[in-house]
Amino acid sequence: AQRVTQPEKLLSVFKGAPVELKCNYSYSGSPELFWYVQYSRQRLQLLLRHISRESIKGFTADLNKGETSFHLKKPFAQEEDSAMYYCALSLGYGQNFVFGPGTRLSVLP
Amino acid sequence: SAVISQKPSRDICQRGTSLTIQCQVDSQVTMMFWYRQQPGQSLTLIATANQGSEATYESGFVIDKFPISRPNLTFSTLTVSNMSPEDSSIYLCSVEGLLGDSGNTIYFGEGSWLTVV
Repeated sequence: AQRVTQPEKLLSVFKGAPVELKCNYSYSGSPELFWYVQYSRQRLQLLLRHISRESIKGFTADLNKGETSFHLKKPFAQEEDSAMYYCALSLGYGQNFVFGPGTRLSVLP
Repeated sequence: SAVISQKPSRDICQRGTSLTIQCQVDSQVTMMFWYRQQPGQSLTLIATANQGSEATYESGFVIDKFPISRPNLTFSTLTVSNMSPEDSSIYLCSVEGLLGDSGNTIYFGEGSWLTVV
């Protein structure tokens, strides 16, 4: 069955420190992976998707099919990065998105 | 992305009653979905809202409890019927297939936070 895991429920780092939010998935098909972010009192919004190979707000994520991972990284965390981050796996266009349990990132001053 | 509006944004409901949540998108979209996010948990897909036909429900969700309508390409409703405290949750409308959007990305409304007392 398709599954997305995020091992850390809460991750705290100091401002300026590197941050890595882990995401692993299980899916027998060709995966499409996404990171969604939810800032306090705001809607869930797309942060980045692996097919775009983009960097958004300094965040990057590389799909590693060998390790079935899609970890989210940022070299220097900012306080405004504090939010809930969800890793998601798409089963294909028009199909279900499987969401991980989420990791709450807290960037301390 | 599109502007996805949900109403109500928040409500407190009596046990046994039903509430309909509306989702309006400012542009035509191919797919509309309804998710649930229970307190402290991740998102779970309830159903895919199909235009002009019955919604497609995920395992564990049934039409009698969560009737869904989608009369056109920009609007959908989700009704939570005969509510119990276990239905207290955030209900999220999401869309896919925006004009000009490449790849299958879903976008979310702000959510409707229901508390059943």
